[in-house]
Amino acid sequence: GEDVEQSLFLSVREGDSSVINCTYTDSSSTYLYWYKQEPGAGLQLLTYIFSNMDMKQDQRLTVLLNKKDKHLSLRIADTQTGDSAIYFCAETWNYGQNFVFGPGTRLSVLP
Amino acid sequence: DADVTQTPRNRITKTGKRIMLECSQTKGHDRMYWYRQDPGLGLRLIYYSFDVKDINKGEISDGYSVSRQAQAKFSLSLESAIPNQTALYFCATSKAGTAAYNEQFFGPGTRLTVL
Repeated sequence: GEDVEQSLFLSVREGDSSVINCTYTDSSSTYLYWYKQEPGAGLQLLTYIFSNMDMKQDQRLTVLLNKKDKHLSLRIADTQTGDSAIYFCAETWNYGQNFVFGPGTRLSVLP
Repeated sequence: DADVTQTPRNRITKTGKRIMLECSQTKGHDRMYWYRQDPGLGLRLIYYSFDVKDINKGEISDGYSVSRQAQAKFSLSLESAIPNQTALYFCATSKAGTAAYNEQFFGPGTRLTVL
């Protein structure tokens, strides 16, 4: 079956850049997403990228997509303590009817 | 006001008890989902419903059942709770349609502990 993989933990210092990586398996994925889960809360969509794009930038966030390697990354510039959260990669295909989430990467931002 | 609400937010119960978790949404979405979250395992899909008459099993449906009472309500039941069902449970919704984009909107979660 389809699978999405992420490393489970990442620690960075405040002010540094964070890079969270994800690999996915379904080459027909049409959209790939990054969700953020803050402590004690549900997931919220952070950003997404359409599969015909290589890069998307939104303020401090940069999403890179390498379709050949089925690799997705999320870069957070100038990481702040408020960025501490779990970040989930997700993919959808088949007109959104099929979808899967990764295991999540827990980002810890150290002062 | 929250668009996706879950009740209760916390529940402690004993092995063998029947438990129902409820989800309501005011987003007008047709699609609703139940997930459980366990540390290190991420989100796993239990059941999903693409409209009121459509119910589908997810990755880990054994030991669970659901009821879609209306477009806005989707309930998850544990017929006879067991300790390994201790987890954080999330309800989510999304729009229906032919668009490939499928953002899901999550409730705040229900923390269930089975003793």
